Amino acid sequence: NAGVTQTPKFQVLKTGQSMTLQCAQDMNHEYMSWYRQDPGMGLRLIHYSVGAGITDQGEVPNGYNVSRSTTEDFPLRLLSAAPSQTSVYFCASSPVGLAGTDTQYFGPGTRLTVL
Amino acid sequence: GQQLNQSPQSMFIQEGEDVSMNCTSSSIFNTWLWYKQDPGEGPVLLIALYKAGELTSNGRLTAQFGITRKDSFLNISASIPSDVGIYFCAGQNNNAGNMLTFGGGTRLMVKP
Repeated sequence: NAGVTQTPKFQVLKTGQSMTLQCAQDMNHEYMSWYRQDPGMGLRLIHYSVGAGITDQGEVPNGYNVSRSTTEDFPLRLLSAAPSQTSVYFCASSPVGLAGTDTQYFGPGTRLTVL
Repeated sequence: GQQLNQSPQSMFIQEGEDVSMNCTSSSIFNTWLWYKQDPGEGPVLLIALYKAGELTSNGRLTAQFGITRKDSFLNISASIPSDVGIYFCAGQNNNAGNMLTFGGGTRLMVKP
């Protein structure tokens, strides 16, 4: 079991470039989500998915797209990178049901810098 | 959106000392969670609290779910160097996707 994996670990982009942050989990979890972490602000939810084919917006969705074509994968797309998107991005997954509350697993993160 | 105020923002303590940090919210949560994050890693769950007034321990860690459901605290007893890291509180309301609202974090530094 690899848990939640994220690639790349580090990325530098120029303003206006697009890219996809990858997230995969091998625990057959229905719920997956993306957070960004900025200094002093904790983690903020960008987008989430409750199952394959279903996505919804979180607290800070602007500038990001997601899709969930399979249970395992939940990529995050930056359409036109901006310096304000410089952050550390975390993907998380959890199983369905009340028991899922205490078993949200986080990936190791992707550190993104937009110049 | 909901706001979680976590304090203190940072602490620098001597090994062996006890530590206390807390979170307050402008609105209620059904679940309070405490995570620890090491450098270069994602957050790892320490303690989960599901009922108002609940007091739960995990080794040297003790956390409580406030009666009003708007606050929680985390205590660490007899701190050791490996306790160093950033501690986050998070609230959850059993909504779709198990979404979490995080506090700003408490950076703990322990002097041997």
